[in-house]
Amino acid sequence: AQSVTQPDIHITVSEGASLELRCNYSYGATPYLFWYVQSPGQGLQLLLKYFSGDTLVQGIKGFEAEFKRSQSSFNLRKPSVHWSDAAEYFCAVGAYGGAQKLVFGQGTRLTINP
Amino acid sequence: DSGVTQTPKHLITATGQRVTLRCSPRSGDLSVYWYQQSLDQGLQFLIQYYNGEERAKGNILERFSAQQFPDLHSELNLSSLELGDSALYFCASSSASGIETQYFGPGTRLLVL
Repeated sequence: AQSVTQPDIHITVSEGASLELRCNYSYGATPYLFWYVQSPGQGLQLLLKYFSGDTLVQGIKGFEAEFKRSQSSFNLRKPSVHWSDAAEYFCAVGAYGGAQKLVFGQGTRLTINP
Repeated sequence: DSGVTQTPKHLITATGQRVTLRCSPRSGDLSVYWYQQSLDQGLQFLIQYYNGEERAKGNILERFSAQQFPDLHSELNLSSLELGDSALYFCASSSASGIETQYFGPGTRLLVL
């Protein structure tokens, strides 16, 4: 069965600093990987996804993520965070074929210091 | 705005009651998914419908049921509610039944008192 681990429950960074949110997955085949962001009181917004091909994927709002098969990781990065990036970030893995579901990590809450 | 709509936004009810949550998928999407987000369990997949038929089930309680109608909107019915059912319930939609990007609605926040 698939599983996702986000080791950091809460991260605080200063505005303008770089950011890396960690995500490790467990899945027997090549996974589909997603990062979603949830602002307070809001739904989940897709930041980026990896299905195949280039292992470095670009997303919205200046985010990128790199798929590393050898490390079973899909870390999310941003070179310079803005106060509006404060939110909860979820990594998810989906399964190939047939019906699908997403398995989510526990989320990482990002706080931005001014 | 993802294009997925959910009603109501908030719901307050009492233990033992029954509620219905409604979801309208993005235009053209045939798959609807329901997820529950709670503090202790995180985001959990409940059930998927594709073009009116149940396609996948997750950790959905027997007290919960769902359906997808011919116009593709979906309803999640929660009955004999318990305090622990208090959570945020999300609906998501995608264009097909296989691996596709899922677009999430704003959620319905359920509080059981």
